[in-house]
Amino acid sequence: SQQGEEDPQALSIQEGENATMNCSYKTSINNLQWYRQNSGRGLVHLILIRSNEREKHSGRLRVTLDTSKKSSSLLITASRAADTASYFCATVPLSGGSYIPTFGRGTSLIVHP
Amino acid sequence: DGGITQSPKYLFRKEGQNVTLSCEQNLNHDAMYWYRQDPGQGLRLIYYSQIVNDFQKGDIAEGYSVSREKKESFPLTVTSAQKNPTAFYLCASSRKTGTDSYEQYFGPGTRLTVT
Repeated sequence: SQQGEEDPQALSIQEGENATMNCSYKTSINNLQWYRQNSGRGLVHLILIRSNEREKHSGRLRVTLDTSKKSSSLLITASRAADTASYFCATVPLSGGSYIPTFGRGTSLIVHP
Repeated sequence: DGGITQSPKYLFRKEGQNVTLSCEQNLNHDAMYWYRQDPGQGLRLIYYSQIVNDFQKGDIAEGYSVSREKKESFPLTVTSAQKNPTAFYLCASSRKTGTDSYEQYFGPGTRLTVT
């Protein structure tokens, strides 16, 4: 099954800096979703971007989607220590009929105070 | 409060025993899912259900079983046939899929350790 792959695997930054994570995938998608997971907890949905959209914002989060390059990026601006978490992209294929998202391995973000 | 709950948070079992993980939601969602997460890994789909009394195998269904007798509940049984059951199990729900895809809401997870 298709799987988005996040890059980098790990990211360490200082508070106040911006954090950018990327997700690449192989086949055409219906939509792409970003989730956050704090250590030992469940995932929390951040943003869903559909294949006909190029950019979406939510607070300090900005997600872009480039379907020609089959890639998406998640930008967290002015990061805070509380943003420390793992971030996953999940892709929903255009064909197949089930519309079930497939998750990547995630990017582990550490924001140092 | 609307949400999705899983119990227990930690579960310990001896090898060879079946164990059932609970998942309940009061979000009125039609679709429910079970995922397995191993350290440093993404989520792998075990089973999903888009409607009561119906469920489908995911990518790693072997050694697992589910039931969906009520809309609110989707319990997962880890059987003794599962070769490597120690993992973090996550349950999720969403609005009905099949014609579109929606964001998933996750429970807090159950960490199962089998020795």
